[in-house]
Amino acid sequence: GEDVEQSLFLSVREGDSSVINCTYTDSSSTYLYWYKQEPGAGLQLLTYIFSNMDMKQDQRLTVLLNKKDKHLSLRIADTQTGDSAIYFCAETPYNQGGKLIFGQGTELSVKP
Amino acid sequence: DAGVIQSPRHEVTEMGQEVTLRCKPISGHNSLFWYRQTMMRGLELLIYFNNNVPIDDSGMPEDRFSAKMPNASFSTLKIQPSEPRDSAVYFCASSLAPRVFEAFFGQGTRLTVV
Repeated sequence: GEDVEQSLFLSVREGDSSVINCTYTDSSSTYLYWYKQEPGAGLQLLTYIFSNMDMKQDQRLTVLLNKKDKHLSLRIADTQTGDSAIYFCAETPYNQGGKLIFGQGTELSVKP
Repeated sequence: DAGVIQSPRHEVTEMGQEVTLRCKPISGHNSLFWYRQTMMRGLELLIYFNNNVPIDDSGMPEDRFSAKMPNASFSTLKIQPSEPRDSAVYFCASSLAPRVFEAFFGQGTRLTVV
């Protein structure tokens, strides 16, 4: 079946790097995503990676994909207080259109 | 574009009442999704439409829930009768197939059933 797991909390100091981890079970997933949710707001797509890629970098964000271990990570360099939010990992199973399977979300707390 | 617009932002209703949530997708998008977010179950896909046609409604909890998309610019999610366990934040999202991975979410409707 489809399942996405994340740790629930992460606390870092401003300026440090944050690494948020995610594991998934569906090896047929075509795309994997990271969404950000700020308090009282909807989800914002941060970045995504296609399943045939190992890494994707976008400014302060680096996504690493280990298909063998079905492990996805999001690294935020030089973490700022404005990065405090809940980060969701999600996957799109193969041949299921736009259906997104979300993890539980990781609450990132950035301390000054 | 104003993004995905949901209304109302907050809804408080009594158990047994009918509740209708509304969504206006981004103009030109042809896929629309309804999600529910709760502390216990996280984010769950309820139903999604492609070109106004329901494609997958396997996430709809039970017959009390129904969703319609009468045209490309409007969708509703109705709960009748509502129950306290329906209390959640309901999100609508839209995207443009085949780039369905770029789903844009609305601000959500926080529903409280008392």
